[in-house]
Amino acid sequence: GEDVEQSLFLSVREGDSSVINCTYTDSSSTYLYWYKQEPGAGLQLLTYIFSNMDMKQDQRLTVLLNKKDKHLSLRIADTQTGDSAIYFCAEKTGGSYIPTFGRGTSLIVHP
Amino acid sequence: EPEVTQTPSHQVTQMGQEVILRCVPISNHLYFYWYRQILGQKVEFLVSFYNNEISEKSEIFDDQFSVERPDGSNFTLKIRSTKLEDSAMYFCASSVFQGKNTEAFFGQGTRLTVV
Repeated sequence: GEDVEQSLFLSVREGDSSVINCTYTDSSSTYLYWYKQEPGAGLQLLTYIFSNMDMKQDQRLTVLLNKKDKHLSLRIADTQTGDSAIYFCAEKTGGSYIPTFGRGTSLIVHP
Repeated sequence: EPEVTQTPSHQVTQMGQEVILRCVPISNHLYFYWYRQILGQKVEFLVSFYNNEISEKSEIFDDQFSVERPDGSNFTLKIRSTKLEDSAMYFCASSVFQGKNTEAFFGQGTRLTVV
């Protein structure tokens, strides 16, 4: 079955880069997603990558996909205090329209 | 900007009581979902709903759970007889379609605490 794993916490200094990692088990994953949840808010789709891509860049966000190792990462350049949130990795596999989520990584940005 | 809204934001209930969690999806969306996240664990899919019926459900969604779209705007999740292990954050989501690259919009969640 599908499984998505992430570390629970990441602490970075303001201005540094953050890298949030995720591993998944299902090799038939077609789309992989990063969601952001700010305090008191819902899960907001940040970006997604299709499984035939290695990298996707969107302003300060860079998504890297290593399909061989089933490893997905989200890099946030020049991390700001407003980036403090929980970041969820999710995947959709070949036969399903329902994403499978990880448990989320709490990103803490300190001055 | 349209958004999914959930009420209440926090619900405390006694074990064995029935609870109804409410959601107002985005108005032109056709697919509706409930997820839950037990503290420290993964966000888990419960159920999806389309055209006034359940289209998919997980093993978690047993006979204690039911969903309903009682009118044109609300989408509810009912738990008939709550257990301590039902304590979790419950997220509602909606989407226009159900394709692979279709974005689902999530509400802010209802934190259910069963005591």
